[in-house]
Amino acid sequence: GAVVSQHPSWVICKSGTSVKIECRSLDFQATTMFWYRQFPKQSLMLMATSNEGSKATYEQGVEKDKFLINHASLTLSTLTVTSAHPEDSSFYICSASSTSGNPYEQYFGPGTRLTVT
Amino acid sequence: ELKVEQNPLFLSMQEGKNYTIYCNYSTTSDRLYWYRQDPGKSLESLFVLLSNGAVKQEGRLMASLDTKARLSTLHITAAVHDLSATYFCAVDFYGGATNKLIFGTGTLLAVQP
Repeated sequence: GAVVSQHPSWVICKSGTSVKIECRSLDFQATTMFWYRQFPKQSLMLMATSNEGSKATYEQGVEKDKFLINHASLTLSTLTVTSAHPEDSSFYICSASSTSGNPYEQYFGPGTRLTVT
Repeated sequence: ELKVEQNPLFLSMQEGKNYTIYCNYSTTSDRLYWYRQDPGKSLESLFVLLSNGAVKQEGRLMASLDTKARLSTLHITAAVHDLSATYFCAVDFYGGATNKLIFGTGTLLAVQP
């Protein structure tokens, strides 16, 4: 149980284009979804927190106009990287917390590797 | 500023040896998590520690939490090569609107035959 999927698993895009990453909770309803970014050999950095039907809360230093987050349902959140640049190349990981069970535990998706050329 | 620091950052050890990874954090929290990450992969949950004095064991790994000292440890017993990975601790922190995880710096563990 508590499976989170991400699509795509990897994507290559050209500089200046936008790319959308989907995060789905497959077998549970997610109260809250989180988006992280991880650069090579570094730790995970929280980008934003989103609740279904509400605007996302972005961490300090994360451009909300560049990283658009939509949490349209209790099982789906999307992250759109707009006007991507090479410095946006990273490993993006989402997680979700369940409406039942331990509300503080996050279940992590498999990640999406973004390469901007 | 909330900080979560791990020590050491890199650990090379021989199979069969024991070692401990330390996780120190700078704010009050009663919940701490340990994760494993293999190269190119996402996180695998290892332990969920939800109170002071919590101790959990799974195979060759044992984790503990001392909330008063703001310290968690991950002890490795008789290491085997399969344990080679990066290990992260993460502290649950209430950010005013919702709880969120703040991750430690990570410890890259390399177990040599």
